[in-house]
Amino acid sequence: AQSVTQLDSQVPVFEEAPVELRCNYSSSVSVYLFWYVQYPNQGLQLLLKYLSGSTLVKGINGFEAEFNKSQTSFHLRKPSVHISDTAEYFCAVSEGEGYNKLIFGAGTRLAVHP
Amino acid sequence: GAGVSQSPSNKVTEKGKDVELRCDPISGHTALYWYRQSLGQGLEFLIYFQGNSAPDKSGLPSDRFSAERTGGSVSTLTIQRTQQEDSAVYLCASSLEGSIYEQYFGPGTRLTVT
Repeated sequence: AQSVTQLDSQVPVFEEAPVELRCNYSSSVSVYLFWYVQYPNQGLQLLLKYLSGSTLVKGINGFEAEFNKSQTSFHLRKPSVHISDTAEYFCAVSEGEGYNKLIFGAGTRLAVHP
Repeated sequence: GAGVSQSPSNKVTEKGKDVELRCDPISGHTALYWYRQSLGQGLEFLIYFQGNSAPDKSGLPSDRFSAERTGGSVSTLTIQRTQQEDSAVYLCASSLEGSIYEQYFGPGTRLTVT
C-alpha cells in the first residue's frame, strides 16, 4: 500500500517570501500525484496534479511542484506567498486501477504572516 | 454549474444512534468517493462507487458503516450505533470515470457524537 509523508506539520513564513512544502511518497512505480488546499471551514480544492510528462507541474494561484522519481518526492513551491495562501495543504498519491483512491499525507499548515 | 453538495453540514448525535449523511455529486460524474477527516487519523479513504456499485469498500472502518448509491447519483453513508470515535468531517467527492480525472470535493458533513 502507498503512503505519503509530509515532513512539516506547520510552516510559518512572511508575506512575499518563497515557500516549499515537502512531500515524499512510498512507491517507486508509476504514480499519480496531487496537491490539494483546504482553506478554513472549506472543502478540498485541487492545486495541481502530476500524471505523466514534464516533471515540473504548474497549478493555480502561482503554485508549482516538481516530480522527482529517484527521490520519490513531489515538493510544492511558490516564489512569493500572500496572506491569502494561509491554509492547510495536502499531498496525495493515487492508488487503484482505473480510479483515484487518494492516499493523503497528514497535511502541512502554511501560516503567512505580514 | 453546481458543485458537490452534502447534507447536513453539521450533525450532532448521541452515542448509539444511527446517522445518515447525504452526497449529491456533480451531474454526469459516475465516480463517487467518501473520505473521512479526523484529528487522529487525518484524511482517509472510505469507499468508491462506480455508478451504483462499490468495487472498493476497503476503507470502511467497521461493519457499522455502510453506503449506497442510487440512480448513479445521490449517495448515502450510514453509520449505525455511532461511537465517539466516529466524530469527524465526512467528505464526498465525485469525478468522471478514470484515474486521470480530478475529484471535486464537497464541503463536508461535520459529525459530532456526544
